[in-house]
Amino acid sequence: DTEVTQTPKHLVMGMTNKKSLKCEQHMGHRAMYWYKQKAKKPPELMFVYSYEKLSINESVPSRFSPECPNSSLLNLHLHALQPEDSALYLCASSQDGTAEKLFFGSGTQLSVL
Amino acid sequence: TQLLEQSPQFLSIQEGENLTVYCNSSSVFSSLQWYRQEPGEGPVLLVTVVTGGEVKKLKRLTFQFGDARKDSSLHITAAQPGDTGLYLCAGDNNDMRFGAGTRLTVKP
Repeated sequence: DTEVTQTPKHLVMGMTNKKSLKCEQHMGHRAMYWYKQKAKKPPELMFVYSYEKLSINESVPSRFSPECPNSSLLNLHLHALQPEDSALYLCASSQDGTAEKLFFGSGTQLSVL
Repeated sequence: TQLLEQSPQFLSIQEGENLTVYCNSSSVFSSLQWYRQEPGEGPVLLVTVVTGGEVKKLKRLTFQFGDARKDSSLHITAAQPGDTGLYLCAGDNNDMRFGAGTRLTVKP
């Protein structure tokens, strides 16, 4: 299994909603990543978890809250988002924290109304 | 933060043409990766280059890592419409930040 699975594929939420994005991999990878990608832009790194510990937080607003329950799962909890947070949210994993080879999921397309 | 610059930003060519895209930085990388991303999907790893001067070939794609490990190029021979996509380079060194990408369109 070389897949990174993200759910949901699409999400529409209001600014007062609370929602969560989920990511799962069963490759035994020990590092997992969240990226945000706006239309026609490259992915921007948000968070990195290495061995289930948060190792990088790219000054992301607190309305985005990551969680890594175990080495196979990564969540991104969303609360009080703004319309400008609408984007494709990509999860990735790599064997370890050196990030030499990233495997990406297909992303969650998020729209904040 | 190591800045990766990619050029050109946009490229539109006819099927059968050759092209080269570039990824440059002032920093030295231990390795550099090239990815291709199609609309609505996540990036897919094409290649990792590690050694300065290294050349890797993947069918019609040729990747080169600069001798000083600060830059890389991707050459596509006889481009096909299926090559259309966003080509991203990313540098290792304990983070994974992407260049701005080259958006390639190959017209039939």
